[in-house]
Amino acid sequence: GAVVSQHPSWVICKSGTSVKIECRSLDFQATTMFWYRQFPKQSLMLMATSNEGSKATYEQGVEKDKFLINHASLTLSTLTVTSAHPEDSSFYICSASLAGGAHEQYFGPGTRLTVT
Amino acid sequence: GQNIDQPTEMTATEGAIVQINCTYQTSGFNGLFWYQQHAGEAPTFLSYNVLDGLEEKGRFSSFLSRSKGYSYLLLKELQMKDSASYLCAVRDILTGGGNKLTFGTGTQLKVEL
Repeated sequence: GAVVSQHPSWVICKSGTSVKIECRSLDFQATTMFWYRQFPKQSLMLMATSNEGSKATYEQGVEKDKFLINHASLTLSTLTVTSAHPEDSSFYICSASLAGGAHEQYFGPGTRLTVT
Repeated sequence: GQNIDQPTEMTATEGAIVQINCTYQTSGFNGLFWYQQHAGEAPTFLSYNVLDGLEEKGRFSSFLSRSKGYSYLLLKELQMKDSASYLCAVRDILTGGGNKLTFGTGTQLKVEL
């Protein structure tokens, strides 16, 4: 149980275009989903916390107009990287917590974004 | 904010035991997690400690001392497949609705023959 999927697993896009990444909890309802970014040989950096039906809470230094997050249902959150630039190239990972739960986050397999 | 410190890298021998330490500072401690991450993959959950003491799960054990802001992950009978990055993460009840994790930089473990 507690499986989280992400789509796509990897994507290459041109500078200036937008890319949408989906995060789904497959066998549980996730009140809260988290979006992380990880650069090579670095740890996970939380970008934003996404709660179903409300606006996401962004971490300091993360541009909310550039990284659009939508959490329309208890099983789906999306991250859209708008007007992507090469410096946005990174490994984007989502995680989800069980509704009302207080234990571990379950991570998706990640999405490798390369902006050319 | 939170400060989480781990060694950057460690090397150990197959079949041996290795201990990875993590120290943290946080104002509203609400649990500590250990994750394993292989290169290019998402982290996988290993252990969770919220009370002082040792939690054992097969070849992996994790220890917590809240008064010292200290945890360690113990890996026994090391196997080559244990070569990975091990991430210490702390949850703070005062941030992110009490479920936000802050990760350390990770410890890259290399298991050698």
